[in-house]
Amino acid sequence: EAGVVQSPRYKIIEKKQPVAFWCNPISGHNTLYWYRQNLGQGPELLIRYENEEAVDDSQLPKDRFSAERLKGVDSTLKIQPAELGDSAVYLCASSSRYTGTSSPEQYFGPGTRLTVT
Amino acid sequence: AQKITQTQPGMFVQEKEAVTLDCTYDTSDQSYGLFWYKQPSSGEMIFLIYQGSYDEQNATEGRYSLNFQKARKSANLVISASQLGDSAMYFCAMRTGGYNKLIFGAGTRLAVHP
Repeated sequence: EAGVVQSPRYKIIEKKQPVAFWCNPISGHNTLYWYRQNLGQGPELLIRYENEEAVDDSQLPKDRFSAERLKGVDSTLKIQPAELGDSAVYLCASSSRYTGTSSPEQYFGPGTRLTVT
Repeated sequence: AQKITQTQPGMFVQEKEAVTLDCTYDTSDQSYGLFWYKQPSSGEMIFLIYQGSYDEQNATEGRYSLNFQKARKSANLVISASQLGDSAMYFCAMRTGGYNKLIFGAGTRLAVHP
């Protein structure tokens, strides 16, 4: 079974440029997450999708960040324009639907390491 | 406030010995879950073990066990018979609030020495 796929693995851009990250979750997983991991810290949730609906985007800086999950499968996270402080690893994860009686583990992709210069 | 605290920035252990990585949590929810993930230098977060707040037995998965002390709000990870490949960052995480949303600690870097 293929895992969560992310691309690109690395991206270096100048500040004020746009950038986009792509994620393909594990087949059959309804729930998709985007996390940001700053250096030396644990991941922090940016947005969570249930199928194509964004159900938790409270931590997404909406002035410059946007995300979409068309057709409820793969997803794109965009930053426009990028700032120096956006340098981080962006992780995508997926899981089966959380029913409240089980805790499906989240499977993570390898991440995209973004460097903004 | 929901919070995960990992007080050990770094730990060293000799190969084949056991090591305990500390994790304390704070939540007012009655129902929650605790996870441990491993992050090697390649960057991918690898799920290791899960403990539900209502689980009476401590979780075990191979060489990993979770020492769950609910009254102390701690969920320490025990790795038995450490291997060189265990060298990595380890993150404790908590699911609360009725969603499968994880809150992560800052992590502990484990170095296994031959």
